[in-house]
Parts: sequence; structure tokens; C-alpha cells
Amino acid sequence: QLVLTQSPSASASLGASVKLTCTLSSGHSSYAIAWHQQQPEKGPRYLMKFNSDGSHSKGDGIPDRFSGSSSGAERYLTISSLQSEDEADYYCQTWGTGILVFGGGTKLTVL
Amino acid sequence: EVQLLESGGGLVQPGGSLRLSCAASGFTFSSFAMNWVRQAPGKGLAWVSAISASGGITYYADSVKGRFTISRDNSKNTLFLQMNSLRAEDTAVYYCAKGGGSTPDYFDYWGQGTLVPVSS
Repeated sequence: QLVLTQSPSASASLGASVKLTCTLSSGHSSYAIAWHQQQPEKGPRYLMKFNSDGSHSKGDGIPDRFSGSSSGAERYLTISSLQSEDEADYYCQTWGTGILVFGGGTKLTVL
Repeated sequence: EVQLLESGGGLVQPGGSLRLSCAASGFTFSSFAMNWVRQAPGKGLAWVSAISASGGITYYADSVKGRFTISRDNSKNTLFLQMNSLRAEDTAVYYCAKGGGSTPDYFDYWGQGTLVPVSS
């Protein structure tokens, strides 16, 4: 079963960096994922697609502060030089034949 | 500029029906898969349904299979979601999302959402 697991919450200080994790279920470690951001009271926004070979593509206007990486079944979203507007929910998403899946989301608090 | 504009949301009674629409512009609509994603109050994002660029492939989440139907009119650049036998647990903001390719995969643009409350 294709499942994505995210920690419910994370926090980091203004100007610091934070690394969010999304874990693919067993047997799906080669899957590509996408990251989406949802700021409070707003609709989601596509950040990037990240492939297991390290290649990636970003959405329109996404700053270089946002980057992706991976290790095995884990996919990471790193946000550097944290700004107040980065306080948001972050969702990873993947897909297979007949199914598309979201992780439960990570609520990022910027201290 | 890609724009996705949902419409058709509103209060509906349990057991009722509703048809959502998503008007797309700023890209070649007929070349990309399209999706519906929903978000219940205070909850995370949940994928609902997807349709390929041609309309020949459709996918549904188990929670809506047999009750919801996704379709598209490529001549009018419009995506639809017909929702029947609505339940209280279908209450959510429904988002239209553009796919990254011709078959369902990831979402690279999102609409602003339309609210569907299901209540008597």
C-alpha cells in the first residue's frame, strides 16, 4: 500500500534552516514525490517535484531557499533562511497506478 | 498565467447532489491531466479524483468511488465533478488542480477552492 508519512509538526527560528521529512512506504522507495505549501487560510501552492535520482523541478517563483533531497525511502524539503511567511503546512504527495496520495502534512512554526 | 477557477459549491443536504466546475486558462488544457482534491475543516489535503488529458483514464479515492464522477470538456477548457449521495463527511473545500503531465501524477497548479458543506 502506497503511503506517505510526515511528522505532524516542526519548528525553527527566523533566519535558520529546517529539514522536513516525508517517508515512502515499504516497496515504494523509488517513487518521485511533490511538495506543496499551504499558508494559513490560503489554498495550496506547488513547491517542487523531486525524483529519486535527485533531479527536480520547481514551481513558478519558488525561491532558491527551498530545496529537495532524498535518502532511500526518505524525501526531504529543506528551507533555509527561514522567513515568517514560511510558517505553513507542508504536504508531500506521490502517485501510482490508479492512486494519488498525500502525506498527513507537517505544520511548520517559525519562532 | 495558469488560472483555475472552481464554482458550484454550496450547502447541500445529506443524500443530495452537486456538480462542481473548474474553468481553466493559461495553458493547453487538453494536454494535461486534471484532479480534484479536498480538505475537510481543520484536516489535511485528500486526493479525490483524477482524469487523464484525453479523459480516457479516471481514478477515484475509495471514499468517493461509485458516488462521484469526474469528467472534462476539452473544447470548453472545463473540468467537472458530479457528486451524488453526499454525506456529512464529504464536507470540505474542494480544489481543482492541474497535473504535471498527460496522465495523473503530481499537481503543479491549484485553484482557490470552493466550499461544499453537507448538512441538514
